[in-house]
Amino acid sequence: KQEVTQIPAALSVPEGENLVLNCSFTDSAIYNLQWFRQDPGKGLTSLLLIQSSQREQTSGRLNASLDKSSGRSTLYIAASQPGDSATYLCAVGRYNFNKFYFGSGTKLNVKP
Amino acid sequence: DTGVSQNPRHKITKRGQNVTFRCDPISEHNRLYWYRQTLGQGPEFLTYFQNEAQLEKSRLLSDRFSAERPKGSFSTLEIQRTEQGDSAMYLCASSSNRGGLYSGNTIYFGEGSWLTVV
Repeated sequence: KQEVTQIPAALSVPEGENLVLNCSFTDSAIYNLQWFRQDPGKGLTSLLLIQSSQREQTSGRLNASLDKSSGRSTLYIAASQPGDSATYLCAVGRYNFNKFYFGSGTKLNVKP
Repeated sequence: DTGVSQNPRHKITKRGQNVTFRCDPISEHNRLYWYRQTLGQGPEFLTYFQNEAQLEKSRLLSDRFSAERPKGSFSTLEIQRTEQGDSAMYLCASSSNRGGLYSGNTIYFGEGSWLTVV
């Protein structure tokens, strides 16, 4: 069974810092990996999708990388802002698209 | 398209009652998922539909849970004889590998339906 782990569970940084969130998974036979943002009491908003054949994806201040062989992905956030405060979740997708496995998330607090 | 829509957003029910949640996916999305999330945890898979066929169901799901997706459009998730342990947020998501604005295997989530069993 696929196990997804996110470290750290919580992170507090001052505004303007660059930061890295980590996601690891136990089974490298994945189809894709997706990063989400979740605000308190809300649903999940997709940030970036990386296909298994890709190494990284970028959107604005966000950059996600994928290393299938080592079972790791990172989400890099540049020049963090208070509005980035949220919980960030990664999800690993299987080849038949029937299920996505989620980590427990990293709760980020960016202090003004 | 306004995205994935879920109703009701909040439901408070007494233990033992039945509840039903509805999900309207992004139009033309052929894949639909239900997940459950409790505080401080990531979403936990419940079930998956491809069009109208329910292709996978979590072994964690008891017989009190049932989901349908008639005609491959909207979906309903029913919980019978609710228990306090069912209190959680129920999330619906959809995706598609077809062309169009909301495609490319990205999964899109609704805002969730909060269930509180008292």
